[in-house]
Amino acid sequence: GNSVTQMEGPVTLSEEAFLTINCTYTATGYPSLFWYVQYPGEGLQLLLKATKADDKGSNKGFEATYRKETTSFHLEKGSVQVSDSAVYFCALSAGNNRKLIWGLGTSLAVNP
Amino acid sequence: DAGVIQSPRHEVTEMGQEVTLRCKPISGHDYLFWYRQTMMRGLELLIYFNNNVPIDDSGMPEDRFSAKMPNASFSTLKIQPSEPRDSAVYFCASARGEGETQYFGPGTRLLVL
Repeated sequence: GNSVTQMEGPVTLSEEAFLTINCTYTATGYPSLFWYVQYPGEGLQLLLKATKADDKGSNKGFEATYRKETTSFHLEKGSVQVSDSAVYFCALSAGNNRKLIWGLGTSLAVNP
Repeated sequence: DAGVIQSPRHEVTEMGQEVTLRCKPISGHDYLFWYRQTMMRGLELLIYFNNNVPIDDSGMPEDRFSAKMPNASFSTLKIQPSEPRDSAVYFCASARGEGETQYFGPGTRLLVL
């Protein structure tokens, strides 16, 4: 069946460090891929998405490229800020009902 | 738009009591989702609706949980009777179409004593 695996946290970085959060998936057909972010005390919000192979989603300095050959959608940011501290969720939408399948989330803490 | 609205934001109740969580989706969105989030199990989809009709309730834990959507602008998730293991944050989300971006409400933090 469809599934998403993302790296376990917590991830702790210093401000201006480079960030990578790995996400791999298993899916039938051609899924759409998403990264959502949850700031402390809030609901999830879409960070970026990609709907077909080789697409790159980007927002707020974050990027992720849909790699069909490696079934991956890794999240990257060149220089993190304290305000990026949050939990990041990778998700896919595939199949007939196209409901979202979620990863377990990766907690990121950025220290000044 | 005001976004997805949930109430209450916080609920503390005693075991055995009935709990009702409420959600108002974004106007024009045809899909509504109820999620539960805990440290142990992460984010779980409980049930979702399309045009007010329940499509998939396979995530509903047991008969103590029920959800309704009487119209396009309102949904409830009810737990009766509540148990301490139901303590979690419950999120409502809505989407314009199938597989489209889901917009989440701020959540209801439920504590069952």
